[in-house]
Amino acid sequence: EPEVTQTPSHQVTQMGQEVILRCVPISNHLYFYWYRQILGQKVEFLVSFYNNEISEKSEIFDDQFSVERPDGSNFTLKIRSTKLEDSAMYFCASNSGLSKNIQYFGAGTRLSVL
Amino acid sequence: AQKVTQAQTEISVVEKEDVTLDCVYETRDTTYYLFWYKQPPSGELVFLIRRNSFDEQNEISGRYSWNFQKSTSSFNFTITASQVVDSAVYFCALSRGGAAGNKLTFGGGTRVLVKP
Repeated sequence: EPEVTQTPSHQVTQMGQEVILRCVPISNHLYFYWYRQILGQKVEFLVSFYNNEISEKSEIFDDQFSVERPDGSNFTLKIRSTKLEDSAMYFCASNSGLSKNIQYFGAGTRLSVL
Repeated sequence: AQKVTQAQTEISVVEKEDVTLDCVYETRDTTYYLFWYKQPPSGELVFLIRRNSFDEQNEISGRYSWNFQKSTSSFNFTITASQVVDSAVYFCALSRGGAAGNKLTFGGGTRVLVKP
């Protein structure tokens, strides 16, 4: 069964460093998302991406964040200068656009900022 | 603005008991979708069900059933004859309807612990 793949599963970084979280959405899906979940809290929307541009972003998604679909298969989230409060689980999701907004999630990348 | 409330933070049951998870939502949209996702201890989010706002029929899938009541803005989830493998955090979520691609707004989740 097709699945969303995220790498790495765990990323440890120093405060102020740049990180790139990678995702391979399900093939032929058209809509892509990043969500985050701070430990023990709810899952929060960060950004959605369609047709090579951001379609919606939350107030969390400030200038430190960016997304890119560099090669037609990968979908990346970059955090330019990480802060301690960026420590969270980051989930990538994709949606075919045909299934009434069912979003399929990857296993997540746990980001630890020290 | 959309909001999803899961008032139960944690429920503990003994295997074979039924457990019902409450979900109450708020939205001004006339068309919307409701979802349940399961997050097992391994951490991934697993899609369980989607319901659109026009379809208030209850649904049953094996030991899982869902009760959607528009009048009370609720979309409750029942696990019948719970098993240890049902231990997980369950999230209710809401999105606008209409165009594809809308974001999900999640509730705070309910942790279900099924003891043998």
